[in-house]
Amino acid sequence: DSGVTQTPKHLITATGQRVTLRCSPRSGDLSVYWYQQSLDQGLQFLIQYYNGEERAKGNILERFSAQQFPDLHSELNLSSLELGDSALYFCASSSLPGVRYGYTFGSGTRLTVV
Amino acid sequence: DAKTTQPNSMESNEEEPVHLPCNHSTISGTDYIHWYRQLPSQGPEYVIHGLTSNVNNRMASLAIAEDRKSSTLILHRATLRDAAVYYCSYPGSARQLTFGSGTQLTVLP
Repeated sequence: DSGVTQTPKHLITATGQRVTLRCSPRSGDLSVYWYQQSLDQGLQFLIQYYNGEERAKGNILERFSAQQFPDLHSELNLSSLELGDSALYFCASSSLPGVRYGYTFGSGTRLTVV
Repeated sequence: DAKTTQPNSMESNEEEPVHLPCNHSTISGTDYIHWYRQLPSQGPEYVIHGLTSNVNNRMASLAIAEDRKSSTLILHRATLRDAAVYYCSYPGSARQLTFGSGTQLTVLP
């Protein structure tokens, strides 16, 4: 157990639907990162939050959004889902916003869009 | 973009050392070099990171070239549990870690 909790572990939904993925960072970590991993794209950085504020955006689609709440957990919202959104979604956390320190990853949410 | 180059795959015998190379020729002087590994159906796991000098921890050693354009992750005695995809990464201008396709390490018993 890495200390980063992601729920649900598996999610199957239909095209056009909306889902919410949840991440609880490791205790004491203020920074949360979201990554998408698909077979053909590898690990892609989506977005970062630090202490409730958005810090950086990567290759995140406009149909996707995220937020970090006062208790530091984060949610990634995926809407108007397409077959190509099927992937593993990982959350990672770190104590500080920069990359001087390592990230701790969760075990991921496997999203299947049918 | 932070560009790294790693061999697609490597093999090692159990209980022998493994040297996993990574080229990062466009790295800046202040970027930390990170290594992570990922076992099947699991999230990436932090291995080690460093800036200039060589670094050691309980999992591995990181040897960084003097010009910082390459680094080598060293597993001193490979075990079957070390079989994984190994990624090297650095933040680059995006100030975020991005990951390429990594090196698939196979450990032979």
